[in-house]
Amino acid sequence: SQQGEEDPQALSIQEGENATMNCSYKTSINNLQWYRQNSGRGLVHLILIRSNEREKHSGRLRVTLDTSKKSSSLLITASRAADTASYFCATGTYKYIFGTGTRLKVLA
Amino acid sequence: DAGITQSPRHKVTETGTPVTLRCHQTENHRYMYWYRQDPGHGLRLIHYSYGVKDTDKGEVSDGYSVSRSKTEDFLLTLESATSSQTSVYFCAISDAQGSNQPQHFGDGTRLSIL
Repeated sequence: SQQGEEDPQALSIQEGENATMNCSYKTSINNLQWYRQNSGRGLVHLILIRSNEREKHSGRLRVTLDTSKKSSSLLITASRAADTASYFCATGTYKYIFGTGTRLKVLA
Repeated sequence: DAGITQSPRHKVTETGTPVTLRCHQTENHRYMYWYRQDPGHGLRLIHYSYGVKDTDKGEVSDGYSVSRSKTEDFLLTLESATSSQTSVYFCAISDAQGSNQPQHFGDGTRLSIL
């Protein structure tokens, strides 16, 4: 079973809108990471949040972590067509476990 | 981009044949990983390596073997390919384990087994 489960599975928004995707996990973690995958490419690391952090920002990305609910959210503000991709959360220290991903489509 | 090269990028083969996929890195990272990606399953870890000749199993290791004779190369072998092993295979590397380091991915190998 997947440690991380993203929600929603697919999301379609207009350019300029914000996109929020969520990740739930089952066991305790040291950190949680978010990755982006463009079609036909490998995953690219976006941001890492440690278990003792509640929120982290990187450019237009904002990640929150609620360890009591075993959940994290990724917010992309002012989305662009280039943000169209699949987004995955991952947990683990040496055996990383990835969720099934959220497919984001940003319409120009 | 991290220096990770997967070869071949595409391969079509028949059931029962052996297949070897290669991952080559130029980053001198200690940890290397093989994943498979299938619709509805996300990425699943097959095997990983934490040093030369040091490997361990992941979530879906049955039917796969790996070898790492040099820091820069991590080979994934399907001894006798089956149609269920049709997938996209990704190699990843990371600099350290348990110290909150991200993984860097290659662009994948699309493997079709007929």
